[in-house]
Amino acid sequence: GAVVSQHPSRVICKSGTSVKIECRSLDFQATTMFWYRQFPKQSLMLMATSNEGSKATYEQGVEKDKFLINHASLTLSTLTVTSAHPEDSSFYICSARGTANSGNTIYFGEGSWLTVV
Amino acid sequence: AQKVTQAQTEISVVEKEDVTLDCVYETRDTTYYLFWYKQPPSGELVFLIRRNSFDEQNEISGRYSWNFQKSTSSFNFTITASQVVDSAVYFCALSEAGQAGTALIFGKGTTLSVSS
Repeated sequence: GAVVSQHPSRVICKSGTSVKIECRSLDFQATTMFWYRQFPKQSLMLMATSNEGSKATYEQGVEKDKFLINHASLTLSTLTVTSAHPEDSSFYICSARGTANSGNTIYFGEGSWLTVV
Repeated sequence: AQKVTQAQTEISVVEKEDVTLDCVYETRDTTYYLFWYKQPPSGELVFLIRRNSFDEQNEISGRYSWNFQKSTSSFNFTITASQVVDSAVYFCALSEAGQAGTALIFGKGTTLSVSS
């Protein structure tokens, strides 16, 4: 079945540096991908909706200049956390929406644990 | 606006007990999907079920069952004869399927602890 792969699964970076997280749909084309953030013991909060070939749509309160999202192809979306700070430490998870023929099924990646030290 | 409420923050049961996780949703759309996911400590989301708004039939899958009632906007999840491996955070989610590219809106989750 369809799989969404997310990489890296865990990353530690120094404060002030940038880190990129990739989300790939492995055997289907995803015109739309979603990025979520989850703080410990909290729910998943939608950060942005990423559409292939266009600018991402960010949720209210999410800094678009800090969380750069690029969806350059139908199988890859990337989230770059720029100038990361310890408060950006979180679990980031992406999802991709399959085509209408597949019932618009949502597939989630495995998630990425980001620790900023 | 969309909203998903999981009023139970934490539930603790002993193995073999039955447990029901509650989910109440709000949406103005007539076409929508409801989901349940399991999230173990490793973090990945394990898909359990998807139900569209036009299908109110209850569903059973092994020890899992779901009760969808549009009249009360609820989509409750029951685990029968719980096991230690069922310990996890469970999320209920809602998607307005009528709109292309709509994301899932998650409830706050219910942490289930099953002890032996």
